[in-house]
Amino acid sequence: EDKVVQSPLSLVVHEGDTVTLNCSYEVTNFRSLLWYKQEKKAPTFLFMLTSSGIEKKSGRLSSILDKKELFSILNITATQTGDSAIYLCAVLNTNAGKSTFGDGTTLTVKP
Amino acid sequence: NAGVTQTPKFRILKIGQSMTLQCTQDMNHNYMYWYRQDPGMGLKLIYYSVGAGITDKGEVPNGYNVSRSTTEDFPLRLELAAPSQTSVYFCASSGDRVEAFFGQGTRLTVV
Repeated sequence: EDKVVQSPLSLVVHEGDTVTLNCSYEVTNFRSLLWYKQEKKAPTFLFMLTSSGIEKKSGRLSSILDKKELFSILNITATQTGDSAIYLCAVLNTNAGKSTFGDGTTLTVKP
Repeated sequence: NAGVTQTPKFRILKIGQSMTLQCTQDMNHNYMYWYRQDPGMGLKLIYYSVGAGITDKGEVPNGYNVSRSTTEDFPLRLELAAPSQTSVYFCASSGDRVEAFFGQGTRLTVV
């Protein structure tokens, strides 16, 4: 059975801090790993990672995948209160319907 | 752009009642999914569909049924509501780009 483990489960930081969120996985037929941000309601897409060692970057957020060690990290630099959210990691099986989500990391950024 | 539309947004059911959660997307996506999210947890896949006429079970299908008669619509049916089905339900769709687009969720309480 596919499995995704995120750590830490929750994190409280102050504005300006840098955070690193972790996602490790076990999947039978890996296709891609995705990061989502969930604020009040629906998750919204951040990154899709398919190849090892290639950093994806969007503003203050970046992510990288290590397919040998089976993990990914999501970095957020110079955090802002608007970064407060649940960050979800999901692994997509080669069967596109078989996605497995981790339990998420709840990030709280204090002013 | 409507994207993925779910109805209703909120619902309270009594034990043993049945209901259908509606989901429709206007992006011509082949893949559609139903997830549930319990407090403090990630998303658990209930059912998914890779195209009209094709559905398959996810991680937690018991107590639910789906159908996919058209590309646009993917309703989720609860036949005999139980307290364990109290959750937030998300419908999502994806196309060739893999990342999922989520509806705004349905908060269901079974009492």
